[in-house]
Amino acid sequence: GESVGLHLPTLSVQEGDNSIINCAYSNSASDYFIWYKQESGKGPQFIIDIRSNMDKRQGQRVTVLLNKTVKHLSLQIAATQPGDSAVYFCAESDSGGYQKVTFGTGTKLQVIP
Amino acid sequence: ETGVTQTPRHLVMGMTNKKSLKCEQHLGHNAMYWYKQSAKKPLELMFVYSLEERVENNSVPSRFSPECPNSSHLFLHLHTLQPEDSALYLCASSQERQNYGYTFGSGTRLTVV
Repeated sequence: GESVGLHLPTLSVQEGDNSIINCAYSNSASDYFIWYKQESGKGPQFIIDIRSNMDKRQGQRVTVLLNKTVKHLSLQIAATQPGDSAVYFCAESDSGGYQKVTFGTGTKLQVIP
Repeated sequence: ETGVTQTPRHLVMGMTNKKSLKCEQHLGHNAMYWYKQSAKKPLELMFVYSLEERVENNSVPSRFSPECPNSSHLFLHLHTLQPEDSALYLCASSQERQNYGYTFGSGTRLTVV
């Protein structure tokens, strides 16, 4: 079956350094990818998305890279701050109809002060 | 709040109880979802309502019964639950045929004793 997975379950980063969270996906028909952040006690929160006709998209301190050749997605966080500590999920979706999103297991980002 | 409100935030219930989870979205979306989040597992899609019609039911046990009276409200009725049903139950909404990601509520932390 189709799946979305993450390479690392936990990532520890020094405050001020850059963080890179990786994700592999297997459904070549997926055309929309999303990163969510989930803080303790809260629901997942949309961070940034990218469509399959792009390979890079930047937001505020975050960049998502998409490599369709190897079905790989990454989230880069610049100058990581303590408030970035959370679980990060990548997710994939396809167009049309209701939006069925498949989530990965999640990577826990721990920021060391 | 994110635009999707879930109540209650926490619920402890016995296996013979009947309770309901409530979700309300204020975003004008026309699709709503119930997800189950258990430790160390990907988000599991339970039910999807699109235009107030149930369009997906992922083989969820009948002790979970969804209800969508209108496009803004979604309920999950619970009865005769098992301890393994303890989890975080997340509601989400989206706009059908527009890939902009889900908006999640903060979830209901359910404990079955």
